Amino acid sequence: AQSVTQPDIHITVSEGASLELRCNYSYGATPYLFWYVQSPGQGLQLLLKYFSGDTLVQGIKGFEAEFKRSQSSFNLRKPSVHWSDAAEYFCAVGGSTNAGKSTFGDGTTLTVKP
Amino acid sequence: DAGVTQSPTHLIKTRGQHVTLRCSPISGHKSVSWYQQVLGQGPQFIFQYYEKEERGRGNFPDRFSARQFPNYSSELNVNALLLGDSALYLCASSTTGVGANVLTFGAGSRLTVL
Repeated sequence: AQSVTQPDIHITVSEGASLELRCNYSYGATPYLFWYVQSPGQGLQLLLKYFSGDTLVQGIKGFEAEFKRSQSSFNLRKPSVHWSDAAEYFCAVGGSTNAGKSTFGDGTTLTVKP
Repeated sequence: DAGVTQSPTHLIKTRGQHVTLRCSPISGHKSVSWYQQVLGQGPQFIFQYYEKEERGRGNFPDRFSARQFPNYSSELNVNALLLGDSALYLCASSTTGVGANVLTFGAGSRLTVL
């Protein structure tokens, strides 16, 4: 069975500070990994994805994530956070054997202090 | 181009009633997936449809059903509503192949069951 764990329920950072959101996954085959962002009352927007190749992937809004197979992790990073980054962030895992049926973590809520 | 559109955006029902939620995918996307997001949790997979056929079902009771139409739009039906069905219902569309894993979400339908 596939699963995703986001250990941090809530993170607060100051504007301009760096950010790292943690994600650990369990998947029996080669995983496809995703990070989505959700603003209040909105649907989810894809930030970035990893299918294969370079383990450091770049996404929109200045976000990046690094796939570490040995640690079953796919952590999201941003070097300098903006107030508009305050939102909920979800990590998800899918794969070629179950396309379209992603498993999501329970999310991390990001608060940005001025 | 229009994104994924869902209707209605908000609705209130009472226990035991029936609800139908609708989704129009991005033009050219033939796969539609439905997710349930309960407050404070990540989205949970309900159904996936591709070319009008059910391709996957999550761990939901038979009260939940769905279908996809020839124009690739989709309906999610929930019978005999329970209080626990209160949630944001998200529809996502995707293409085929590896792209089937890249989900584009609508803004969701917020269902409240009283």
